[in-house]
Amino acid sequence: DAGVIQSPRHEVTEMGQEVTLRCKPISGHDYLFWYRQTMMRGLELLIYFNNNVPIDDSGMPEDRFSAKMPNASFSTLKIQPSEPRDSAVYFCASSFQGIDQPQHFGDGTRLSIL
Amino acid sequence: GENVEQHPSTLSVQEGDSAVIKCTYSDSASNYFPWYKQELGKRPQLIIDIRSNVGEKKDQRIAVTLNKTAKHFSLHITETQPEDSAVYFCAARHTGTYKYIFGTGTRLKVLA
Repeated sequence: DAGVIQSPRHEVTEMGQEVTLRCKPISGHDYLFWYRQTMMRGLELLIYFNNNVPIDDSGMPEDRFSAKMPNASFSTLKIQPSEPRDSAVYFCASSFQGIDQPQHFGDGTRLSIL
Repeated sequence: GENVEQHPSTLSVQEGDSAVIKCTYSDSASNYFPWYKQELGKRPQLIIDIRSNVGEKKDQRIAVTLNKTAKHFSLHITETQPEDSAVYFCAARHTGTYKYIFGTGTRLKVLA
């Protein structure tokens, strides 16, 4: 299994630009999660999906952030317009349904907004 | 709200010694507790987990204990090796959701 695949691995862009992060979950996983990791705030859950439907987006910081999951094998996290404080590592994770099914993380996207 | 506290934030041990990291959770309905290891610049990787109906679980040099009454759980690493050096995160999952609440992490350094 290839694991959770994220792209790009690194993104550097200027403030005000639109940023799109991509994620391919592990095949067969029912749940997909987007996290943000910073030194100050640690690992924060932004949003998660079950069978492509958003279940909890209470962690999405602002309206500038949006996430979609058009099918079972693809999700995007979009920031528009981007700001320097959005700089962080963004992780995607996926899991099977089940009480003790762990989340498996992708390698992350390191985002730098100048 | 739900909260997971993790201690210590940094821990240095001599190679071969044991390391213990402790977490306390606030939501008594939490029922699943994974531990992740994150090496510098890499993704968090699951190393061990425990369900709320189990008090202890071992996997070679790693063990996790859970005290539901006190709402705390601990990671124990025995015979530490330099490759154990990393940041370790605990997490708790609330019953009825798939959300993890993560602790703030422990940076473990194993000194050769």
